[in-house]
Amino acid sequence: SQQGEEDPQALSIQEGENATMNCSYKTSINNLQWYRQNSGRGLVHLILIRSNEREKHSGRLRVTLDTSKKSSSLLITASRAADTASYFCATDATSGSRLTFGEGTQLTVNP
Amino acid sequence: GAVVSQHPSRVICKSGTSVKIECRSLDFQATTMFWYRQFPKKSLMLMATSNEGSKATYEQGVEKDKFLINHASLTLSTLTVTSAHPEDSSFYICSAPQVGLPDTQYFGPGTRLTVL
Repeated sequence: SQQGEEDPQALSIQEGENATMNCSYKTSINNLQWYRQNSGRGLVHLILIRSNEREKHSGRLRVTLDTSKKSSSLLITASRAADTASYFCATDATSGSRLTFGEGTQLTVNP
Repeated sequence: GAVVSQHPSRVICKSGTSVKIECRSLDFQATTMFWYRQFPKKSLMLMATSNEGSKATYEQGVEKDKFLINHASLTLSTLTVTSAHPEDSSFYICSAPQVGLPDTQYFGPGTRLTVL
């Protein structure tokens, strides 16, 4: 069963603005990952944050993790129209095990 | 980076036929592969864990006789949807963690199954 919840379900912003997506989960984790999916395509791995990390950066992406609140956020700075996609968080309870996906956020970046 | 392929990318079949979907790790070995299905505008739901050389582990509610999984080698897992019906129409995606680098999973591009 899906344990993750993401909000917002949909987000529409203008190019250049920042986009923040949140993810909550229910059980303890080894790591949390964020993926991107363009419509009808496979998933692209964006970033992984381990349970002992609080923040991680990769280019225009910033991920935070609060294990006490069982939540994570993904920030995309200076958004571009090409960032339009669905974004999913996924938790890994044990390294290399099955991933449990959140419901996803549909991000639309308007040019 | 590591690549996972799926074949076919798209299949349309008549109700009652069986469809086989292949998932291959192209440049790494994978003792475990995962199969997900995704309905339109929905999240990925894990169906089963494919284990090389042993039986697959199915998630609760997934019919193992309906969705046959075979992991015959360290680079290939197959999902066969038997006697497909329109409600089986979905997007099927596989993933594989690389042996030795379990935190990183590589996803296939997905297979769109449409059952008429």
